[in-house]
Amino acid sequence: EVQLVESGGGLVQPGRSLRLSCAASGFTFDDYAMHWVRQAPGKGLEWVSGISWNSGSIGYADSVKGRFTISRDNAKNSLYLQMNSLRAEDTALYYCAKDSLPYGDYIPRAFDIWGQGTMVTVSS
Amino acid sequence: QSALTQPPSASGSPGQSVTISCTGTSSDVGGYNYVSWYQQHPGKAPKLMIYEVSKRPSGVPDRFSGSKSGNTASLTVSGLQAEDEADYYCSSYAGSNLFGGGTKLTVL
Repeated sequence: EVQLVESGGGLVQPGRSLRLSCAASGFTFDDYAMHWVRQAPGKGLEWVSGISWNSGSIGYADSVKGRFTISRDNAKNSLYLQMNSLRAEDTALYYCAKDSLPYGDYIPRAFDIWGQGTMVTVSS
Repeated sequence: QSALTQPPSASGSPGQSVTISCTGTSSDVGGYNYVSWYQQHPGKAPKLMIYEVSKRPSGVPDRFSGSKSGNTASLTVSGLQAEDEADYYCSSYAGSNLFGGGTKLTVL
């Protein structure tokens, strides 16, 4: 079964850090670009960051550039998001999502598999 | 870059057809054939319904179809069923990625 399972969310104070993880199974992880997409409570979807299949290209939304770092470990079938200098506006459900295009760069073509998300709440 | 423009709501009766629009610019929707549509039920993760403007993933009913004209993409749901009631989001390649604001589809 194709599956993405996120972990690492929680309640954190403004200015602190958090690291999200996404464990992939059921597909050839290192063939595909991977992404983080977030959804603030009651709001729409926002692409946060993407990483190519071989980590050769990486991109971020302007809202997180300079604060978040995406990475992947193909040997462990895992995707990560290091979030620093967190702000209240980063509060959201963070989804890990697989790109539909094999061997693509960091820019998503479509998200064909989604995890269930991990909630990040930034509050004092 | 601004988000893609979707109507906030749409509705139809069972068996009818409904079309949801997604308007962008020549730098996103109009410039590339990488428009996708997602269905999201409350409390659930989004699900890919249409990719590359008009292609359906395996398992998605053929009641769902996609098209594009100029800078506007559309999702049509034919033969509306109760389970189609959900939020729908469009997305486009744009040098990065853009989502629409979402459309709440109500089945009357």
